[in-house]
This record gives sequence, structure tokens and C-alpha cells, in this order.
Amino acid sequence: QSVLTQPPSVSAAPGQKVTISCSGSSSDIGNNYVSWYQHLPGAAPKRLIYANDKRPSGIPDRFSGSKSGTSATLAITGLQTGDEADYYCGTWDSSLSAGVFGGGTKLTVL
Amino acid sequence: QVQLVQSGSELKRPGASVKVSCKASGYTFTGPSINWVRQAPGQGLEWMGWINTITGNPTYAQDFTGRFVFSLDTSVSTTYLQIDSLKADDTAVYYCARDRATIDFDLWGQGTLVTVSS
Repeated sequence: QSVLTQPPSVSAAPGQKVTISCSGSSSDIGNNYVSWYQHLPGAAPKRLIYANDKRPSGIPDRFSGSKSGTSATLAITGLQTGDEADYYCGTWDSSLSAGVFGGGTKLTVL
Repeated sequence: QVQLVQSGSELKRPGASVKVSCKASGYTFTGPSINWVRQAPGQGLEWMGWINTITGNPTYAQDFTGRFVFSLDTSVSTTYLQIDSLKADDTAVYYCARDRATIDFDLWGQGTLVTVSS
């Protein structure tokens, strides 16, 4: 069971917006930066967001991240079929002294 | 080109050992730590630990102590993951990833599938 809680799946139509939540505690999200990763089948994970809301160069501004208290959210607007993937949040857990990931959310673009 | 290139798939018998390599290129190897992440079949990402590329000091997640060993060879900009006494449960894809801060993985290897089967 993952330390960080994500919904197992989300879905939306092309062009729509979807949000993926990541819930944790004061020892992880509450006091550490959150990053988000997109994982396509057969490929390496790809960083979408770091330091809660920073977008690396090359990542479209359709992807955005936010954090409030012990939860973080990834938002994707203008959904495309190519966005279908598994999405993971990750952070450091200060009480475990370990990195932790959410269980992953499968995005389906209907 | 900035990249991490991992060694190829492995098929091992239970009880054997495996050593996965992760070669860095295109950037200064000694600096950012290299982390290892496991994905078992049908499961999510699991953080295994990291190795300091300056000192060579490894840190292991609680579930990865004992049979798992991180090492590096700075002369060839390569880190290694060795797993001893392999079990069927070790069947997974293993990724190396460069960490820019703390759990901020900006560069990933392509993954190495390790299959443990008799």
C-alpha cells in the first residue's frame, strides 16, 4: 500500500480537463516538494512537474501542478489521446527517510 | 546527448544473482545522485534507494536491505544494482534515475526487465 493516495483511474473526453489528486501527510507532502511523472507503457517515466508547480522545459503548459497542505494536484487541460498513461506523484517522507510514490492513476481519454 | 542507458533484460533462476548497469553520458556524472526504482508486474513505482555519486555511499529503502547492493564506477560513469539470492518476487522492471533535488527525477534510464523463473 502506497504512502501517497491517488485515485486508481480518471477519464475524460479529448479537449477536456482532468485533475489527479495525491494525498499524503505532514511528513511527506506537507513538508516536501512534490513531483509528477507520466509513464507510458514500455517507456521510461517522464517528469512533468517538479517542486510542486514547476514545469521543465519542453513540457506543454497544458500540464500544471499545485499543492495545498498535505495534498497535491496535477491538472491536464486540452486532453489528447496521447495523454493516455499512468501518472505518479512522488515526494520525500521525512519520517521514513525514504522516497515515496503514489499508487499511480491511469488516465483514459475517451 | 544527456542520457542514462541501462543494460538489457535478464532471465535468472531463483537463488542466482543479477547485476544491472546504468551508464550516464552527456553530463558530469559525479554530482546528482542516482536512484533506483522498481516496477513489479501490474504494480506502481517503488523507490528502492539511492547512491551518492561523489562518495559512493548507498542508501536503501527499508524493503531493499540485505540482498540489494548499489555501487558505482566513476571511471566509466556507471552505477550498478546487484540483487543476490533472487526470488520470483524480484521479477520487475528496474529503472535508474538522476535526482536533481530530493525525489526530483529529471532523467531516467530505459528500464531493465529482470525475470526470475525456474
